[in-house]
Amino acid sequence: GDSVTQMEGPVTLSEEAFLTINCTYTATGYPSLFWYVQYPGEGLQLLLKATKADDKGSNKGFEATYRKETTSFHLEKGSVQVSDSAVYFCALSDLNGNNRLAFGKGNQVVVIP
Amino acid sequence: DSGVTQTPKHLITATGQRVTLRCSPRSGDLSVYWYQQSLDQGLQFLIQYYNGEERAKGNILERFSAQQFPDLHSELNLSSLELGDSALYFCASAEREYNEQFFGPGTRLTVL
Repeated sequence: GDSVTQMEGPVTLSEEAFLTINCTYTATGYPSLFWYVQYPGEGLQLLLKATKADDKGSNKGFEATYRKETTSFHLEKGSVQVSDSAVYFCALSDLNGNNRLAFGKGNQVVVIP
Repeated sequence: DSGVTQTPKHLITATGQRVTLRCSPRSGDLSVYWYQQSLDQGLQFLIQYYNGEERAKGNILERFSAQQFPDLHSELNLSSLELGDSALYFCASAEREYNEQFFGPGTRLTVL
């Protein structure tokens, strides 16, 4: 079935550093792709999305491009802030008509001042 | 604030017991999704309802059931609880079946 793979392990970086979180997917068709963010003690918030190949989703300085040829949707931010510390989940929407989300395992991002 | 509410925020219970988690979707949203977040399984889709009807099932155990009521709120019932059922349970709602999902703050279930 459809699945999402995120790079292993937490990510720790200094303020103003460049952030990349890798995400690859397996799907039989052309899913929509999402990045969700979960701040401590809160639910998931949609960060950005892309619905077709070569689309770029962007929000709050974060960007991700839907790459069909590499089945990837890597998240990037040029200069992180302490407030970006959170868990980031890559997800795709199921194509079988009900829009269920399949999530990767998530990456904890810690930004140090 | 997503507009999706879930009660209770925390629930502590014992093995073998039964609990009910409640979700109120955003005003006007017809679709409700339930997800389970656990340390070992990550975030998994459990079940979806649309306008009162079950639409899709994911990795939901037979001990678990759900329903969506005429006022569109939904309840997730978990019975014969086991230690491994301890997790964060999220509800999400969407206007229709193919729109963006908005997540509630979750209910943290601890089974002792």
